[in-house]
Amino acid sequence: KAGVTQTPRYLIKTRGQQVTLSCSPISGHRSVSWYQQTPGQGLQFLFEYFSETQRNKGNFPGRFSGRQFSNSRSEMNVSTLELGDSALYLCASSLRDLNYGYTFGSGTRLTVV
Amino acid sequence: GQQLNQSPQSMFIQEGEDVSMNCTSSSIFNTWLWYKQDPGEGPVLLIALYKAGELTSNGRLTAQFGITRKDSFLNISASIPSDVGIYFCAGLRGGSQGNLIFGKGTKLSVKP
Repeated sequence: KAGVTQTPRYLIKTRGQQVTLSCSPISGHRSVSWYQQTPGQGLQFLFEYFSETQRNKGNFPGRFSGRQFSNSRSEMNVSTLELGDSALYLCASSLRDLNYGYTFGSGTRLTVV
Repeated sequence: GQQLNQSPQSMFIQEGEDVSMNCTSSSIFNTWLWYKQDPGEGPVLLIALYKAGELTSNGRLTAQFGITRKDSFLNISASIPSDVGIYFCAGLRGGSQGNLIFGKGTKLSVKP
């Protein structure tokens, strides 16, 4: 079966711009989480959605937002981009609920110049 | 943000050697997960542990969920070149806290 699909794979944006990243979970998976990965901070949790509701949120500024659609696809948006937002953004989906292993997508590499 | 203490940070392996790495935390977790990440890709789940004391194998990989629920280890036996990559432990508290907390990773490289 198809894995977690993230688009685009690579993105270059200018400071101050905004960006929207997309994630399609594995069919049937209703939980979608987003993580930011940087060399310095490692993998940091952004937010988690389940059945279109944000269930958890990490310690990121309000410039980072997300949503989930009725088909479980999710998007995350970063507004007013800063150089420090350059990172690999990973989406993970889970079958049903918490306590299950998450399957990650290949990520979107965002570079802010 | 909070992270698990994962060690070693890096190690060199020679084909055929056994490898061990571990993660510790001051907090209790309900689930421990081990992932491997190759360059340019997302982490791939290797082993999931759901019960304290649980010992689980996946081929040459063996992982254990510590009895105190605050630690886990991963062993790789008879390493092969394709084992190189970055291995991450991740803990999940469960309940209303559905976010994974990751270690900083153990980078496996081939011994020169």
